[in-house]
This record gives sequence, structure tokens and C-alpha cells, in this order.
Amino acid sequence: NAGVTQTPKFQVLKTGQSMTLQCAQDMNHEYMSWYRQDPGMGLRLIHYSVGAGITDQGEVPNGYNVSRSTTEDFPLRLLSAAPSQTSVYFCASSYGGVTGDEQFFGPGTRLTVL
Amino acid sequence: DQQVKQNSPSLSVQEGRISILNCDYTNSMFDYFLWYKKYPAEGPTFLISISSIKDKNEDGRFTVFLNKSAKHLSLHIVPSQPGDSAVYFCAAGDNYGQNFVFGPGTRLSVLP
Repeated sequence: NAGVTQTPKFQVLKTGQSMTLQCAQDMNHEYMSWYRQDPGMGLRLIHYSVGAGITDQGEVPNGYNVSRSTTEDFPLRLLSAAPSQTSVYFCASSYGGVTGDEQFFGPGTRLTVL
Repeated sequence: DQQVKQNSPSLSVQEGRISILNCDYTNSMFDYFLWYKKYPAEGPTFLISISSIKDKNEDGRFTVFLNKSAKHLSLHIVPSQPGDSAVYFCAAGDNYGQNFVFGPGTRLSVLP
């Protein structure tokens, strides 16, 4: 099992550019989510999905879009990058059937917006 | 206002001694709590959890204590080892979903 994979590992964008952060898991998990980690802020939930075709907003969704067409993949799209989106992005997945089920995290994508 | 607080940004402990990491929360609806460990350039990994029906949960060297009336939990690591040096995140959630609120983290350094 590869677990949760994220690509790319690093990315530099200019303000206004768009891009997609890829996330895939091979554990047949229903629940997937995207977080951003900023210094002193912990991990903040951007968007999440409880299954294919179902997505919802988290704490900080503005400027990001998601879709979930398959159980395995959960891409995060930045529509028009801004310097405030400079952060480390983590994708996570879990079975979702049990409250408090541990989440498995990917290695992260470090994004810099100039 | 942060719902989950970890007021110590960093902590240094001698190898073999006890490490105590603290976490406070403000939302009384939180019923489930998890601790994650994170090494540099890696994603967080699950360490231990506790639900509100318990006040203690133990897994090897790691024990989590929950004081619901004080809205406080703590993670004890005994004995501490240099490999425990990492950032530790406390996370809290309610009993109805999968979404958790994370604290800002505490960087633990275990000195040989």
C-alpha cells in the first residue's frame, strides 16, 4: 500500500496563476480532506469529502475548489493564487465509518505564491 | 479565537525523563480527542486517542489524560527517547462527524 500520496512536493506560483494539487489514496477510504498548515496555526480544514460525489467546505475554503469523482482521488484546485495561500498543504483520508477514526496524512505539498 | 490551544510552543526534556504535553479546548461539544506526531517534511501520524467516556488511555510509553470539567487533556511520554523529538498536535472533534480542530502544535526536543 502506498497510503496517501500527494504531488507535487514543492510548487512556486505567481499571483493569479491556477494549479491543481493532486491527492490519491489506495486504502479504499471514504473520507478525504485537505488541510493547510501555517506557522502558529496548526492544521486548518479547507474542504472535505465523505464519499465519491460528495464534498463540503471546511474552516478556510475561500480560493479553493475540490471535486471527488472517484473514491481514490481528491484534487484541490487553486483558482487564482494569492500570496496568502503560501502554505504547506496536507491531504488526509480515513474510513469515515467510525467517529474519531484516525486520519492518514500524505507527505504534504509546500506551495509558495510570489 | 482558537478552539484548541497548546500554550507551549516548545518543550525540552532529558532522555529517560517524562514529557508532558498539554492541550486545552473551549468547545464543550468536543467529545473525541487525538494526538498526532509530525516529523519535518512528513505528514502527521496518529499517536493515540481518547473519547469523553474515559479519563485515561494508555498505549505503551504514551498515555493521554482527559479532564472534561477543566476542558484539558495531556499527553505523557515515559520514558522519553530522542526519536520522540517532533511536533505534537492535539486535535478535538464532536461525536457526530469526522472533522477535527487542530491545535497549533508543541515542538518536543528530547536531549540525549
